Amino acid sequence: AQTVTQSQPEMSVQEAETVTLSCTYDTSESDYYLFWYKQPPSRQMILVIRQEAYKQQNATENRFSVNFQKAAKSFSLKISDSQLGDAAMYFCAYRGSGGSNYKLTFGKGTLLTVNP
Amino acid sequence: ETGVTQTPRHLVMGMTNKKSLKCEQHLGHNAMYWYKQSAKKPLELMFVYNFKEQTENNSVPSRFSPECPNSSHLFLHLHTLQPEDSALYLCASSLSVLDQETQYFGPGTRLLVL
Repeated sequence: AQTVTQSQPEMSVQEAETVTLSCTYDTSESDYYLFWYKQPPSRQMILVIRQEAYKQQNATENRFSVNFQKAAKSFSLKISDSQLGDAAMYFCAYRGSGGSNYKLTFGKGTLLTVNP
Repeated sequence: ETGVTQTPRHLVMGMTNKKSLKCEQHLGHNAMYWYKQSAKKPLELMFVYNFKEQTENNSVPSRFSPECPNSSHLFLHLHTLQPEDSALYLCASSLSVLDQETQYFGPGTRLLVL
């Protein structure tokens, strides 16, 4: 079974600084999908970024980028120029490939605090 | 907003009550999901529906009963719950259950069972 580990229960960053959230996963599959979701307090969980394992290039979405290390099974999220609105719980998630392998496996989350 | 709505947003119920959670998506998706989010635990997938057909029941107790009358609506009927069932219940949808489709989440219903 796949597992997703987020080793940092909490992180903090100063506004305008850069922070990196860690995620590792365990799988025997060679093709899969990885996601970072953001869940602000009392608000909806939204997709931040996704990465297809077959792509070597790291995904980027504005201030958010990932460092995908397939051999190390690592998928970290970097937030540049942090803003107060980035404060949220961040979840790393894994989804297998092949057929209807639709089950998302989530990590326990990292609570990010942004200090003004 | 992600296009997935859930009602009610908060619910308090006794162990003998019967209540229902509702999820509606306005995205034209065909797959819908129920997740349970408990404190300090990863999200747990409960049920999956694809084109109104249940495709997964992740060993969920029978006191939780899902219903999917059409691809836009998903219900979770609750009956004789236990205090440990208190959690945030999240609904999600995706275009299909194919692996490349991103799931979009609703705001959740925060349930407290007394």
